[in-house]
Parts: sequence; structure tokens; C-alpha cells
Amino acid sequence: ETGVTQSPTHLIKTRGQQVTLRCSSQSGHNTVSWYQQALGQGPQFIFQYYREEENGRGNFPPRFSGLQFPNYSSELNVNALELDDSALYLCASSLGPRLSSYEQYFGPGTRLTVT
Amino acid sequence: SQELEQSPQSLIVQEGKNLTINCTSSKTLYGLYWYKQKYGEGLIFLMMLQKGGEEKSHEKITAKLDEKKQQSSLHITASQPSHAGIYLCGADKGSNYKLTFGKGTLLTVNP
Repeated sequence: ETGVTQSPTHLIKTRGQQVTLRCSSQSGHNTVSWYQQALGQGPQFIFQYYREEENGRGNFPPRFSGLQFPNYSSELNVNALELDDSALYLCASSLGPRLSSYEQYFGPGTRLTVT
Repeated sequence: SQELEQSPQSLIVQEGKNLTINCTSSKTLYGLYWYKQKYGEGLIFLMMLQKGGEEKSHEKITAKLDEKKQQSSLHITASQPSHAGIYLCGADKGSNYKLTFGKGTLLTVNP
């Protein structure tokens, strides 16, 4: 148990639709990172939010967007879903943005299937 | 292209045996992180290595980072069924905020 929760657990969407995934961080964690993990692959960094601002982004198109709220919750939004968006989406929260200083605590993930 | 190579891709061992998983980068790493993942679940942090030559142990798991900071190994002594899962190495390549992961090593421990 890392104290990080994600909802929903599983989700099935149709190509072209929009989806919102949610993450609830540990209290006091002002940083959240999102990763996409395709089947049989390692997680890929999508972006990080620190104090409600985007702090860094990986190689993902603008249709992947996020929000972070003052109550330690955050969202990952994906527009115009494509089949390749099918994956496990992981959020990770921490006390700060620097990997060398703060451990990341991962949630259990949301399994998104796009048909 | 995958920037971190993990080997082997999968491993089946008998309970009580020792095993080693490797993680290799073509570039110097600023930090190397080992995680364990149960299939389809979140990642559990194991260890972080930052200095060349560094070695850390926790219970029966030991991780090392070579002097050049381009290769790390994870060694499990006297494996148990509870060690089964996917082991992932993640690297900080200088950003200090994002990790680049290998594809993982699937470990099966037979009782």
C-alpha cells in the first residue's frame, strides 16, 4: 500500500472518445507524475505536475493533458482516443519534483482499453 | 528505441536459488532506480543508486551500480515465491524529474 489511489480501475472506450483518469496522492505530496505502460513494456513518462503547474513533459501529443488540484488529487485527460492509447496508466506522487531527493509512490494504475 | 536494456527478459528459478538481473545504458546515468511490479499493478520502490560503485541491500536483495554508472545489477539471494513479479529498472538521464524505464524482467519462482 503506497497511499496513492487511482480511479477507475478499468475502463473501455471507443476510438475518438475522450477519457479522464483520476489520481489521489498522499497528503502533502505536491508533485504527481503520470506514466503510460503498454503491454510488455516499461512505463513511459507522460508529464509531471508540481504545485498545480506542468513541470515537464515526455514525448506525448497535446491531446494528453493534465490537471492538479490543491486537495492532492489530479487528472489525466486524453482526447481523440486512438487504439494505441490502450495501456495501463500509472500516477506517482512525491513530496517534491526532484527524483534524487524524493521517493515516488505509485498508484495501482488504470487499465484503459480503446476499441 | 529502448534506451535501457534489461536482461534477461524472463527468468524461472527454483525456490532457494540465487539470481541476477541486469540493466544497461549506453549513456552515463544520474540515478538508477529499481522497482518491482506485480502483473498489471503499480510499482513498488526497491532501491535508488546514484554514485558509481554504490551498492545497497535490503533483506535478500542487493543492487549495484558500476563505476561508470552505465550498468546496474539486482541480485536476489535464496529466492522465495514472494520475490516473483516484474522487476523494472528506471534511469534518470539528467532531468531529475522523469524516469526512463527498461522493459522489465519477469521473474517466476517455483516452490
